[in-house]
Amino acid sequence: KQEVTQIPAALSVPEGENLVLNCSFTDSAIYNLQWFRQDPGKGLTSLLLIQSSQREQTSGRLNASLDKSSGRSTLYIAASQPGDSATYLCAVSGANNLFFGTGTRLTVIP
Amino acid sequence: DAGVTQSPTHLIKTRGQHVTLRCSPISGHKSVSWYQQVLGQGPQFIFQYYEKEERGRGNFPDRFSARQFPNYSSELNVNALLLGDSALYLCASSAGLAGGPWNTGELFFGEGSRLTVL
Repeated sequence: KQEVTQIPAALSVPEGENLVLNCSFTDSAIYNLQWFRQDPGKGLTSLLLIQSSQREQTSGRLNASLDKSSGRSTLYIAASQPGDSATYLCAVSGANNLFFGTGTRLTVIP
Repeated sequence: DAGVTQSPTHLIKTRGQHVTLRCSPISGHKSVSWYQQVLGQGPQFIFQYYEKEERGRGNFPDRFSARQFPNYSSELNVNALLLGDSALYLCASSAGLAGGPWNTGELFFGEGSRLTVL
């Protein structure tokens, strides 16, 4: 069974810092990996989708990388802002299921 | 364009009751999936439907069932509610891609239905 782990569970940084969130998965047979953000009590907002054949995707201040062979993905956030404060989740899709990590709660301090 | 809409947004039930949650996907999307998210955890996959057929089922008891209608909207039903069913229930839609139901491309989530079982 696929297991998805996100470290750290929580992270606090001062505004303006660059930061990296980590996601690891145990089964490399995936179709794609997606990063989401979730505000408290809300649904998930898609940030970036990386297909299994891709190495990275970029959107604005966000950059996500994928290394299938090592079972790792990173989400890089440049020049963090207080509005980036949220829980960030990664999800990997496999043959017949979709597995989420437990998320990293990010707090950006003004 | 409207995003994924879910109803009701909040509801309170008592143990043993039944609940029906509804989801309308983004126009043109043919795949709908359901997830249960308990506080402090990541979402857990319950069901996926594509073109009105069940294409995936997570590790949930038979008390959980779902269906997808000809207009691609979907219902999640839970019978004989337990306290442990209290959670945020999320619906996601996607356009779907060739190569298998799980290579669905980008997922778009609704705001969820918060179920409290007393």
